[in-house]
Amino acid sequence: DTAVSQTPKYLVTQMGNDKSIKCEQNLGHDTMYWYKQDSKKFLKIMFSYNNKELIINETVPNRFSPKSPDKAHLNLHINSLELGDSAVYFCASSQDPGSYNSPLHFGNGTRLTVT
Amino acid sequence: AQTVTQSQPEMSVQEAETVTLSCTYDTSENNYYLFWYKQPPSRQMILVIRQEAYKQQNATENRFSVNFQKAAKSFSLKISDSQLGDTAMYFCAFMKQADMRFGAGTRLTVKP
Repeated sequence: DTAVSQTPKYLVTQMGNDKSIKCEQNLGHDTMYWYKQDSKKFLKIMFSYNNKELIINETVPNRFSPKSPDKAHLNLHINSLELGDSAVYFCASSQDPGSYNSPLHFGNGTRLTVT
Repeated sequence: AQTVTQSQPEMSVQEAETVTLSCTYDTSENNYYLFWYKQPPSRQMILVIRQEAYKQQNATENRFSVNFQKAAKSFSLKISDSQLGDTAMYFCAFMKQADMRFGAGTRLTVKP
């Protein structure tokens, strides 16, 4: 069973559209994250949720809205997509953030292409 | 926010040789955690090794070991007996509480 699963794996859409990426973890972790990896492979944290509460919110356009219906799910909704949103988006989870025994477990990423 | 610097965008090594990837970070914190992740072409993010800042002993995991110099804020990764399957992007990461920050990555190519 996949520990952190994201859907879809690939997403191609046009500018101006609204799209969502779903993430689920079956590890029983309390904290979930979204990271963006750009074309140069740079990984940047976007959001972090702990038990459905937002704890990290980096400088991300408000077109990006995370939603956590329960602690096993953290979905990412993006409004009015722009060309610059093209990237790979990674979901991750951690049991006890900031602990040696709790590194981040990553999903396989969603490659978003905006045309 | 903490910053993590990987000064080697690309490196290559011959199969069976040893290679060291550099990482430095900037923080005023005393307790934190450091990690190396590997990202092969499949784009999976795979944990390679981890280190607690309050432990002086360097972490090792089979062919992978680190040289952790807390005062210098340095955390290099040594890969011994390099294998073709080690070809990947390698990311150094700093973590404090729920905040994990990554370096820009080093692309390692292992040559046969």
